[in-house]
Amino acid sequence: QVKLLQSGAALVKPGDSVKMSCKASGYTFTDYIIHWVKQSHGKSLEWIGYINPYSGGTNYNEKFKSKATLTVDKSSSTAYMEFSRLTSEDSAIYYCARENWANWFAYWGQGTLVTVSS
Amino acid sequence: DVVLTQTPVSLSVTLGDQASISCRSSQSLEYSDGYTYLEWYLQKPGQSPQLLIYEVSNRFSGVPDRFIGSGSGTDFTLKISRVEPEDLGVYYCFQATHDPTFGAGTKLELK
Repeated sequence: QVKLLQSGAALVKPGDSVKMSCKASGYTFTDYIIHWVKQSHGKSLEWIGYINPYSGGTNYNEKFKSKATLTVDKSSSTAYMEFSRLTSEDSAIYYCARENWANWFAYWGQGTLVTVSS
Repeated sequence: DVVLTQTPVSLSVTLGDQASISCRSSQSLEYSDGYTYLEWYLQKPGQSPQLLIYEVSNRFSGVPDRFIGSGSGTDFTLKISRVEPEDLGVYYCFQATHDPTFGAGTKLELK
């Protein structure tokens, strides 16, 4: 079955960067787009962007264009998101999610909690 | 950005009742290809969101038929007939017709 396994929680300092991973299994990695979604504590969800694992092509929410960088490693079926110049506003849970043709977020990872604190 | 306004913010129900959640968009969600990219998600406590409905009214694989999505243009509704304990949590609508956005959520809880 489709599984997305995300990396563990991270505690990072303001101004630093963090890179999190999303390892896919149970399907052909290059067949489906991977999205990233942010959920600030107790709040709603924000779409960050997506990457096409086959082509490496990306599309970002304008709000996160200078903040997030999405990449993949096809050899390990893993998607990555790097978040740079972190501030307290970036403290959140970050989810990866896979599309399923007619919908955007059919399968979700368990989330990675990022805490930005000095 | 397209704003999705969900009402009510919270909904208290008795098990077995029907629940209804509204999602109103600031712009029409019908795309030029004729499809309407409006989806519904449920986030149970401590879990990742899960897809319930896509393209307004299509249930995702494994979603019980007590979940019914409807609507068009700017007004959409998710109805849950005969609420069960596993239906409790926060419901979000989401649109991908324009730059993707989520609603603020509706919390479904027991009365």
